[in-house]
Amino acid sequence: DAKTTQPPSMDCAEGRAANLPCNHSTISGNEYVYWYRQIHSQGPQYIIHGLKNNETNEMASLIITEDRKSSTLILPHATLRDTAVYYCIAPSHNNNDMRFGAGTRLTVKP
Amino acid sequence: SAVISQKPSRDICQRGTSLTIQCQVDSQVTMMFWYRQQPGQSLTLIATANQGSEATYESGFVIDKFPISRPNLTFSTLTVSNMSPEDSSIYLCSVARDGNTEAFFGQGTRLTVV
Repeated sequence: DAKTTQPPSMDCAEGRAANLPCNHSTISGNEYVYWYRQIHSQGPQYIIHGLKNNETNEMASLIITEDRKSSTLILPHATLRDTAVYYCIAPSHNNNDMRFGAGTRLTVKP
Repeated sequence: SAVISQKPSRDICQRGTSLTIQCQVDSQVTMMFWYRQQPGQSLTLIATANQGSEATYESGFVIDKFPISRPNLTFSTLTVSNMSPEDSSIYLCSVARDGNTEAFFGQGTRLTVV
């Protein structure tokens, strides 16, 4: 598993874009980057994942740098319900055993 | 996505007893995992539940304390044995259809040992 580094906390104003960074400088060429979030007292929720190309779904966009050493999760219009801990994970190839770090605690403020 | 049902959702247990947690998935999955989340902490992987063979445990977790069964591709159990207050945590089941696909998590079992 590639080690990931995330800021411990971030704030975002409601309605604005939330940009959550993640460093994974030791990632290998075939390891995906996954993002999850955990809202208080709930199980982690899958958000998005990618390998090389940028990805977008109904929840978020994932921007991966060309050298793959970092990525950014973008919530385009953050709401109060997006307040959660966000985890960036890069499991080893062909594995889904997600190993969680401390994540980023995002607080969306009115 | 997969629908995961964990039972019980919460329990309060006496020290020295054991609790078995069930994880049921609505479709067949290749991978099943068990996690622990201690109060105020992130998730820690306990083990990978292997169908038809012994689970693969992470460092710091042993089969005698956390026996795991996985009789088929949709069901697994985790037992927390000889519980102490330090075992008070949320225990979560996770599943994935195969490698390099997203994993999904149950809502967890909140265990309090008194």
